[in-house]
Amino acid sequence: NAGVMQNPRHLVRRRGQEARLRCSPMKGHSHVYWYRQLPEEGLKFMVYLQKENIIDESGMPKERFSAEFPKEGPSILRIQQVVRGDSAAYFCASSPGPNPPYEQYFGPGTRLTVT
Amino acid sequence: QKEVEQNSGPLSVPEGAIASLNCTYSDRGSQSFFWYRQYSGKSPELIMSIYSNGDKEDGRFTAQLNKASQYVSLLIRDSQPSDSATYLCALNRDDKIIFGKGTRLHILP
Repeated sequence: NAGVMQNPRHLVRRRGQEARLRCSPMKGHSHVYWYRQLPEEGLKFMVYLQKENIIDESGMPKERFSAEFPKEGPSILRIQQVVRGDSAAYFCASSPGPNPPYEQYFGPGTRLTVT
Repeated sequence: QKEVEQNSGPLSVPEGAIASLNCTYSDRGSQSFFWYRQYSGKSPELIMSIYSNGDKEDGRFTAQLNKASQYVSLLIRDSQPSDSATYLCALNRDDKIIFGKGTRLHILP
């Protein structure tokens, strides 16, 4: 399967714990985007990364959230000291580059539940 | 004004009929437009992209773009129950994609 992969698919954390979400882009894609979808809300952009670079993190909350895309391995979205409001579906998308047509392909998502 | 506006629905369409989904946007600088389909509990799936004014057809789907009116639409011909889903209109702004909240489509058997 050459699609975007995310794990875990479901993650349960207690308040105050850390959540780590992983994303491997589609084969041949070097650009990764993270989105969050709250219940009954639309998809919201969080961060855009290339290998070893954060290109745009304008949608990331200023505290507790961080993202990386190392030279080797998957992209990781890290949420420290989770709170109930972090419960959401987190989707990763990838594209072959930033140039048009800007098409992004989504992974299956990680459903985070904070208890 | 929201960047991408869609009627939330639900839009109910009889099986076999044409479903028409509409979207307006506020940023005249947007160049690329997308329609994604999202089934409940699943991830968005890209079904159409359109960059030029006019129509673009792919199977039962036709996307229409009118940049002067800042309007994008998606037509689904011969609607099937499997088309029941939420349809997300989206556009690019710089390096990110901005999504509307989606229109829920329900195809009546």
